[in-house]
Amino acid sequence: NAGVTQTPKFQVLKTGQSMTLQCAQDMNHNSMYWYRQDPGMGLRLIYYSASEGTTDKGEVPNGYNVSRLNKREFSLRLESAAPSQTSVYFCASSDQGQGGYNEQFFGPGTRLTVL
Amino acid sequence: SQKIEQNSEALNIQEGKTATLTCNYTNYSPAYLQWYRQDPGRGPVFLLLIRENEKEKRKERLKVTFDTTLKQSLFHITASQPADSATYLCAPDSGGYQKVTFGTGTKLQVIP
Repeated sequence: NAGVTQTPKFQVLKTGQSMTLQCAQDMNHNSMYWYRQDPGMGLRLIYYSASEGTTDKGEVPNGYNVSRLNKREFSLRLESAAPSQTSVYFCASSDQGQGGYNEQFFGPGTRLTVL
Repeated sequence: SQKIEQNSEALNIQEGKTATLTCNYTNYSPAYLQWYRQDPGRGPVFLLLIRENEKEKRKERLKVTFDTTLKQSLFHITASQPADSATYLCAPDSGGYQKVTFGTGTKLQVIP
């Protein structure tokens, strides 16, 4: 049981390049999330998918797109990377617990640097 | 707008003492409040959840309180150990399919 996996672990891009961050979970969770974490800013939600086939914007969606490929996989795409997108990106998944809470399970993160 | 405040400065305590971390929130009424631990270079890991109708929740050396009137949660680690050194995030949760919002975290350093 791998939990939440993310690839790649590290990436360096030049301004204007594109890339896709991959995320997969094997816990049969309905909901998946993409966050970015910057010093002093905490975790900020980029996009989330409450269930397969749906995606919604979070707090900081500009410059990103997502695809919920199936129940297991949720990818994040940077079409034209900018230095402001240098960050650590975390994918997470959750399912409603008994009573409706959303304990989240996080992947190990992708450390992205945009030059 | 919704706001979550955690001590932004690191908390240094002596091994064996009780660490107390504070989480204050404004402009919403979460049904639950979650606490996570994050180690350097890793993703957050869920520790505890407390419901709005619970005043206190315990798990081993951890204790969480939730005061919906004060809009505050306190997270206690008793008999702290150097292995408890990490950043602790609070996350008010509105439940249902609403997203969870995370605080910026408090870094705890337990000194041997």
